[in-house]
Amino acid sequence: DGGITQSPKYLFRKEGQNVTLSCEQNLNHDAMYWYRQDPGQGLRLIYYSQIVNDFQKGDIAEGYSVSREKKESFPLTVTSAQKNPTAFYLCASSPGDLRNQPQHFGDGTRLSIL
Amino acid sequence: DQQVKQNSPSLSVQEGRISILNCDYTNSMFDYFLWYKKYPAEGPTFLISISSIKDKNEDGRFTVFLNKSAKHLSLHIVPSQPGDSAVYFCAARSVNTDKLIFGTGTRLQVFP
Repeated sequence: DGGITQSPKYLFRKEGQNVTLSCEQNLNHDAMYWYRQDPGQGLRLIYYSQIVNDFQKGDIAEGYSVSREKKESFPLTVTSAQKNPTAFYLCASSPGDLRNQPQHFGDGTRLSIL
Repeated sequence: DQQVKQNSPSLSVQEGRISILNCDYTNSMFDYFLWYKKYPAEGPTFLISISSIKDKNEDGRFTVFLNKSAKHLSLHIVPSQPGDSAVYFCAARSVNTDKLIFGTGTRLQVFP
């Protein structure tokens, strides 16, 4: 059963800590994305990767880092430099070949500050 | 500067009636538009999409209309069902990019 798995579902961070959110997909998609959702707002793009070992900043990349060492995996690290990290984080993937194909999403990770 | 706008934060519709959700955009380079449905604490689920070469796309109870001259997109759900109660996001993609720009969402409530 193909899909996108995000873990953990809930995550708590202490001030000054880095935390890493996991995203794995078995859809054989080339492109992967990280979004952040805040209450009353749409999804905002943090980082995206169209191919292994390559990624680009989205609209709100400050305080975040990513890696794309494997096609299936696109972990997001929320660093201590991110001053307002409390949010709902969503990972998505798509075939990435510019055809009219939708992005598919995981179920998200909710990050909270202790 | 919001390129994709959903000006109605909420909509309440009686079961069996039509739900119409609206979306406006400003970027004339958008060529692909999508609607997603989202329940609390879950990821968005793809609902329906439309290419800029069309003005209508239908899938069961869901129809998306695109008016390029007005830069306006709408989603019609008929008949509406209580299970349709969720937040609906419209999104748009610009030519030659894979990035989506999302609206802020409209919360639809379908009551009996």
